[in-house]
Amino acid sequence: KAGVTQTPRYLIKTRGQQVTLSCSPISGHRSVSWYQQTPGQGLQFLFEYFSETQRNKGNFPGRFSGRQFSNSRSEMNVSTLELGDSALYLCASSSGTYNEQFFGPGTRLTVL
Amino acid sequence: GESVGLHLPTLSVQEGDNSIINCAYSNSASDYFIWYKQESGKGPQFIIDIRSNMDKRQGQRVTVLLNKTVKHLSLQIAATQPGDSAVYFCAENRGATNKLIFGTGTLLAVQP
Repeated sequence: KAGVTQTPRYLIKTRGQQVTLSCSPISGHRSVSWYQQTPGQGLQFLFEYFSETQRNKGNFPGRFSGRQFSNSRSEMNVSTLELGDSALYLCASSSGTYNEQFFGPGTRLTVL
Repeated sequence: GESVGLHLPTLSVQEGDNSIINCAYSNSASDYFIWYKQESGKGPQFIIDIRSNMDKRQGQRVTVLLNKTVKHLSLQIAATQPGDSAVYFCAENRGATNKLIFGTGTLLAVQP
């Protein structure tokens, strides 16, 4: 069974630009969650999508948004990038609630 | 954000010894707890989970203990091996979504 895949793996952007990250969950998984990981703040929850609906959202500004498609693939978008958005963005998929969440390798975003 | 990201505590052990990694969680309403292992350059990998109606759960070489009275979680690794060297995170889940609140993380360094 293929794992969670994230594309691209590495991305370099400049301040003010926008970026879209993609996540393909494990086949059959309907829940996709996104996390931001930085050395200073650790792992922080961004949002979760379940069957194309945002089910929960973390404490991030509106510049961070996401969506989920009918095939459960998910994208997250960050607009008007700031230096502080440099981070590892992780996606996790699960077959349901209180089930194991499988993480992808992450997308390393660097904002210059 | 909701997770705390500070200095990463380090636990250094000799190969073959048992390791105990501790975690204090924040919300007494949390009802599902998970331990993750993260190796350099990879996403977190599920190790073991426990629900709030249990106080102990065992896996292969790992045991998780939950003390709800003092909101404390621990991960015990038996016969620690060099391949166990990684950062270990505890995470708590509350409510009917997959939103995880991660702890700071502990770096486990196994000396051969």
